[in-house]
Amino acid sequence: EADIYQTPRYLVIGTGKKITLECSQTMGHDKMYWYQQDPGMELHLIHYSYGVNSTEKGDLSSESTVSRIRTEHFPLTLESARPSHTSQYLCASSAHGLKDTEAFFGQGTRLTVV
Amino acid sequence: AQSVTQLGSHVSVSEGALVLLRCNYSSSVPPYLFWYVQYPNQGLQLLLKYTSAATLVKGINGFEAEFKKSETSFHLTKPSAHMSDAAEYFCAVSDFGNTPLVFGKGTRLSVIA
Repeated sequence: EADIYQTPRYLVIGTGKKITLECSQTMGHDKMYWYQQDPGMELHLIHYSYGVNSTEKGDLSSESTVSRIRTEHFPLTLESARPSHTSQYLCASSAHGLKDTEAFFGQGTRLTVV
Repeated sequence: AQSVTQLGSHVSVSEGALVLLRCNYSSSVPPYLFWYVQYPNQGLQLLLKYTSAATLVKGINGFEAEFKKSETSFHLTKPSAHMSDAAEYFCAVSDFGNTPLVFGKGTRLSVIA
């Protein structure tokens, strides 16, 4: 059973508000990721981290930012939410090394900006 | 850069029939390949993975996939569909297992009673 948690599960918020989506894992994984999933199902990598104080932007340009101060925690922040940010956000983690390379996913946060 | 193409955004099968979901990949180095399943309002769950060992990989829930380098394919199969198999299925690739997963656009599987 994967131990990666996202909160909140659902969020409806007004335009211009600052929001933080939380993601925590208890597996001690070095690598963590944020994916954005559009209504057509496709997943796009928006941020990833290979360890504490290491963050990189993904393939899809995003106005969000991330931080990695602790191994287990990888929050995503939107300084000023807009309707175009409405989407599902999925957090994932994976172990370092070549043996256990699969990513474990949280249940996602469905964000609606009105 | 690696990429994944899933043929067919929607596949419909009868209960008890063969399930075949297609995935072709592009990678300049030996790929690690994965199939994930997503149920409504849930995250993704790993079905199976190929990491350069056996080319025929067995996963959970009776699914299996075969890595064919000559065809750059990693198709997912199940001999007999069950109603509970109805979900979204995603194929993903990683270079050597070292890079973040790149996903295909997904295939929605419907199972008809």
